[in-house]
Amino acid sequence: DTGVSQDPRHKITKRGQNVTFRCDPISEHNRLYWYRQTLGQGPEFLTYFQNEAQLEKSRLLSDRFSAERPKGSFSTLEIQRTEQGDSAMYLCASATKGGFPYEQYFGPGTRLTVT
Amino acid sequence: QKEVEQNSGPLSVPEGAIASLNCTYSDRVSQSFFWYRQYSGKSPELIMSIYSNGDKEDGRFTAQLNKASQYVSLLIRDSQPSDSATYLCARKTSYDKVIFGPGTSLSVIP
Repeated sequence: DTGVSQDPRHKITKRGQNVTFRCDPISEHNRLYWYRQTLGQGPEFLTYFQNEAQLEKSRLLSDRFSAERPKGSFSTLEIQRTEQGDSAMYLCASATKGGFPYEQYFGPGTRLTVT
Repeated sequence: QKEVEQNSGPLSVPEGAIASLNCTYSDRVSQSFFWYRQYSGKSPELIMSIYSNGDKEDGRFTAQLNKASQYVSLLIRDSQPSDSATYLCARKTSYDKVIFGPGTSLSVIP
């Protein structure tokens, strides 16, 4: 399977705990995006990378959220001191810089439930 | 002002009819637009991209773009119950960030 993969698919955690999600993009894609989606809403942009460089982080994102893409391949998204409001689907997508039209492809998502 | 706006629906159409989904955006600089389909509990799936004014057809789907009026639409011909899903409109910014609308829920009634 050469699509975008995410791990884990589901995560249940208690408030205050830290969680980390992983995303493996399509191998030839150098752009990687993280989104958060809650029920009835479209995906909300969190951050994105070109290779290992983090190009932008949403101003709506608190300091409890951090993302890395250390070798320009897979990426991790960490949420520290989780809160119930963090419960959502976390989506990863990848794309090729310079591709036209510029098309993103999504992974299956990680559903986080904070109790 | 939301950057990408869509009617949340639900939009209900009978099987075999044409479903028309609309989207407006606020940034005149945007060049590329996308339609994604999302089934309940699943991740978004790219249906079509469009970047030139006019129509773009792919099978039963036609995307329409009017940059002067800042709207994008998606027509689904011969709608099937399997088309029942949420349809997300998105635009690409000049910095390659993709902004999504809230989605329109479509229900195709057999």
